[in-house]
Amino acid sequence: NAGVTQTPKFQVLKTGQSMTLQCAQDMNHNSMYWYRQDPGMGLRLIYYSASEGTTDKGEVPNGYNVSRLNKREFSLRLESAAPSQTSVYFCASSRVSFNYGYTFGSGTRLTVV
Amino acid sequence: GNSVTQMEGPVTLSEEAFLTINCTYTATGYPSLFWYVQYPGEGLQLLLKATKADDKGSNKGFEATYRKETTSFHLEKGSVQVSDSAVYFCALGMDSSYKLIFGSGTRLLVRP
Repeated sequence: NAGVTQTPKFQVLKTGQSMTLQCAQDMNHNSMYWYRQDPGMGLRLIYYSASEGTTDKGEVPNGYNVSRLNKREFSLRLESAAPSQTSVYFCASSRVSFNYGYTFGSGTRLTVV
Repeated sequence: GNSVTQMEGPVTLSEEAFLTINCTYTATGYPSLFWYVQYPGEGLQLLLKATKADDKGSNKGFEATYRKETTSFHLEKGSVQVSDSAVYFCALGMDSSYKLIFGSGTRLLVRP
């Protein structure tokens, strides 16, 4: 089925370890986004890519890096994980504008111990 | 800055009850407004949207009207079902930005 695919679905890291969250979409969308979801705080934007070849910081970018590998793929990297990065991470994509709606992946639940 | 405020949950209702989830916004200019729904263990899905004042968005029995005078976009449904149990997010977007700004979410629990 067409949509946004995130891997892995679950991950446990030790403090200081690194990892990359993968995201791929097959809807030919131009824009892609990484959000984190924490209890009582809704979704907060980490980074986004308005189009292939561009990336920009969102509301909470510290401790993260991103790569827009091609039009389909947008990865999120944690270089040195911290317990404060324990969260559920969602990737989303959209056509040129959000007015067409975002399509979200099913999320990655990350625990940093 | 731009922001969205939602009523705190959880909201607990009996099946067939009337639902209102309040959402108000602060924005410089004229945003587009959205409601997203998140079922357990899943990502968010677009429920409905309105792109200008007095527009009414509707889908699956849910509706919301874009009220510029009260800066609100309240979600309503006349008769909820157990299957409507989920977390509902209000969001806004500005034409000058690619990004959506989400509220904190309201959990709805519908009991049989």
